[in-house]
Amino acid sequence: GAGVSQSPRYKVTKRGQDVALRCDPISGHVSLYWYRQALGQGPEFLTYFNYEAQQDKSGLPNDRFSAERPEGSISTLTIQRTEQRDSAMYRCASSLRDRGYNEQFFGPGTRLTVL
Amino acid sequence: AQSVAQPEDQVNVAEGNPLTVKCTYSVSGNPYLFWYVQYPNRGLQFLLKYITGDNLVKGSYGFEAEFNKSQTSFHLKKPSALVSDSALYFCAVRDGNTDKLIFGTGTRLQVFP
Repeated sequence: GAGVSQSPRYKVTKRGQDVALRCDPISGHVSLYWYRQALGQGPEFLTYFNYEAQQDKSGLPNDRFSAERPEGSISTLTIQRTEQRDSAMYRCASSLRDRGYNEQFFGPGTRLTVL
Repeated sequence: AQSVAQPEDQVNVAEGNPLTVKCTYSVSGNPYLFWYVQYPNRGLQFLLKYITGDNLVKGSYGFEAEFNKSQTSFHLKKPSALVSDSALYFCAVRDGNTDKLIFGTGTRLQVFP
């Protein structure tokens, strides 16, 4: 069975450009999560969805960051007017359901570099 | 607020020796605790979790973890380390108010032949 996939794996962009990062969760997983991981740190929560509904976006750092999951499967994290401080590894995870006892399965991540 | 601490940036152990990677937590309510491993250029892989029940939890690749409520700890252990266990290990706790995971800063395990 396929795991969580993310694309692109690497993205280099210039400051001020918009980027869209894609996540394809494990088939049948209801919950989808986005995290950001700086070098040498643990992942930090950004937002999560149940089906197509965004349940918690408290971790999005500012209004340049947004996410959607329109059909309850694939999700896109969009960063507008990128800044150098946005450079990080962006990780997506999915789980069967947003029950705390369900483990989250992570994708390989997208390494974003803003020049 | 929920939090996780991994007090050691790096743990070095000889192959064949037992290993311990430490984690302490702070939560309100019952803790749901997780260990993940990150190999170079790969995603985070789930190792094991504690939800309830036995304090000793067994997981993938021969790893286990011991939940200690009085010490608020959830240390990762393995009786006999392998060189291939060398990786970055993260402890995480589920936030009691939402479903997000709160991660520690990670511990790099280096197993020497």
